[in-house]
Amino acid sequence: QAGLTQPPSVSKGLRQTATLTCTGNSNDVGYEGAAWLQQHQGHPPKLLSYRTNNRPSGISERFSASRSGNTASLTITGLQAEDEADYYCSAWDSSLSAWVFGGGTKLTVL
Amino acid sequence: QVQLVQSGAEVKKPGASVKVSCKTSGYTFTNYYMHWVRQAPGQGLEWLGIINPNGPSTSYAQKFQGRVTMTRDTSTTTVYMELSSLGSEDTAVYYCAREPHGQAMDAWGQGTPVTVSS
Repeated sequence: QAGLTQPPSVSKGLRQTATLTCTGNSNDVGYEGAAWLQQHQGHPPKLLSYRTNNRPSGISERFSASRSGNTASLTITGLQAEDEADYYCSAWDSSLSAWVFGGGTKLTVL
Repeated sequence: QVQLVQSGAEVKKPGASVKVSCKTSGYTFTNYYMHWVRQAPGQGLEWLGIINPNGPSTSYAQKFQGRVTMTRDTSTTTVYMELSSLGSEDTAVYYCAREPHGQAMDAWGQGTPVTVSS
């Protein structure tokens, strides 16, 4: 099934800002926006945002999401060591009637 | 608090079936959809399908049509995912994940490792 495109890796320094991208098409990201998930090694994913820029309760304001056309972005400000993780975007694909995921971006905090 | 507790690790032979359970608590079972997602070793996330416990209605990824079955038991607030005709490519951690209608997967089970090996 079709998927979303994410860069495999991003590296940034402590206290810097990282912006992760997720590219889809008009049937998925461009349709209802994307959700972002964080996954630490050996743990299940954790929802960071949904429908582009809605944050579940308990999620730090350092995580913010946006969308421009068919590309979604997750911006993490004031990077901390604990932010080092894999980040996945996901979206509902209206043409497939299925949820699709990006391949994930490994964020390294230097 | 919201909890999704999955059944334990499974080891299956090629061609067999596996049934994974996801016991829920801490919320109204029929008010949330439930997804099943898997993750092969070192790989990304892959969506298998969704069940609406208040129905129940299901929708499966095309790749798994005919091979996956999702069911629920409202008396025990448990959701099940059965995958048949297993091959080595089905070796993965299988997750259940709750979705408030129209949002995204906001709570996840701890994962159930399934190993397919002869």
